[in-house]
Amino acid sequence: DTEVTQTPKHLVMGMTNKKSLKCEQHMGHRAMYWYKQKAKKPPELMFVYSYEKLSINESVPSRFSPECPNSSLLNLHLHALQPEDSALYLCASSPGGLGKLFFGSGTQLSVL
Amino acid sequence: AQSVAQPEDQVNVAEGNPLTVKCTYSVSGNPYLFWYVQYPNRGLQFLLKYITGDNLVKGSYGFEAEFNKSQTSFHLKKPSALVSDSALYFCAVREILTGGGNKLTFGTGTQLKVEL
Repeated sequence: DTEVTQTPKHLVMGMTNKKSLKCEQHMGHRAMYWYKQKAKKPPELMFVYSYEKLSINESVPSRFSPECPNSSLLNLHLHALQPEDSALYLCASSPGGLGKLFFGSGTQLSVL
Repeated sequence: AQSVAQPEDQVNVAEGNPLTVKCTYSVSGNPYLFWYVQYPNRGLQFLLKYITGDNLVKGSYGFEAEFNKSQTSFHLKKPSALVSDSALYFCAVREILTGGGNKLTFGTGTQLKVEL
């Protein structure tokens, strides 16, 4: 299994809603990532987890809350988002060291 | 800070012709460079990477890249373009994090359009 699976594929939420994005990989990778991508722009790193511990938070607003319950799962909890948070949210994993990042297909989020 | 630059927003090429997508880098130390491709509403797919060794790197789908240290470039090439190669291409540089994991910093992307 060489896939990173993200659910849901699409999400529409209001500014007062609470929702979660889910990411799963079964490649035994010990590093997992959340990226945010606006249309036609490069992905921007949000969070890095290494061995289930948060190692990088790129000054992301607290309305985004990551969680890594185990080595295969990564969640991103969303609360009180703004319309400008609408974007494609990409999850990735890597074996660490010099290995490449494997990306999921993303969750297209729209905040109304 | 490590960075990569992609000077062209869009590259147009006729099917069957060779293609080049340009990337230059700015890093301290040894560069770890990658190319990824993204099709509409999809995640990024890995094409190839340069860590060390041969300056010509072979990748997926017939793509290759040439690492040039003197010009600090890592251009993506393909001898004969296909319409299906039309997509958004990102060059990236990797930084290994002291806390574990890697940080990929992407260029601004180049939209490749291959026409019949």
